[in-house]
Amino acid sequence: SQQGEEDPQALSIQEGENATMNCSYKTSINNLQWYRQNSGRGLVHLILIRSNEREKHSGRLRVTLDTSKKSSSLLITASRAADTASYFCVVGGGSNYKLTFGKGTLLTVNP
Amino acid sequence: GAVVSQHPSRVICKSGTSVKIECRSLDFQATTMFWYRQFPKQSLMLMATSNEGSKATYEQGVEKDKFLINHASLTLSTLTVTSAHPEDSSFYICSAPPSGGASNEQFFGPGTRLTVL
Repeated sequence: SQQGEEDPQALSIQEGENATMNCSYKTSINNLQWYRQNSGRGLVHLILIRSNEREKHSGRLRVTLDTSKKSSSLLITASRAADTASYFCVVGGGSNYKLTFGKGTLLTVNP
Repeated sequence: GAVVSQHPSRVICKSGTSVKIECRSLDFQATTMFWYRQFPKQSLMLMATSNEGSKATYEQGVEKDKFLINHASLTLSTLTVTSAHPEDSSFYICSAPPSGGASNEQFFGPGTRLTVL
């Protein structure tokens, strides 16, 4: 299974603090993506990192990928209350387009 | 970015009835679409792959006779939950990769919340 597993399952921080979420997966990948889901809503694509990349930035987001450890991390800097959401790492794609979602981390940013 | 819509966004039905959910790619064609189910506080689980012009392929444990999928055109896939029961209450989300696009580029619909009484 390529299912990613996020750690922690839930994270509560104060506004302005940084939030770090980790993801582990089991098989080799071509890329890894992170998505955000606000409560009971659709998914928003955040960032994609390819297997030959080690780190990628997008605004307040920083993603790292360690293929030797089959793990990735998502860092959100200077968090805001609006960042409150569930965050999923996603692996897959490839020739059959199938994506496999991790269990997710529920991030709560308190104002 | 590309837009995928779902209709309805929310539906409440009585046990035993059938419910149809539509997934449309609004500004691109998609020969393949995916249907996911998400129970409260859980992750998305892939249910099936909808293929335009051919039968859908279902993930293990998903009843094909209960979850009917029809990929009527290059921009529309429908999921029909037949004889719905309370345990089918869930959040159903579709996604679509643009035909000819990168396999990792998929666009998700906003989801349909189904409540079966």
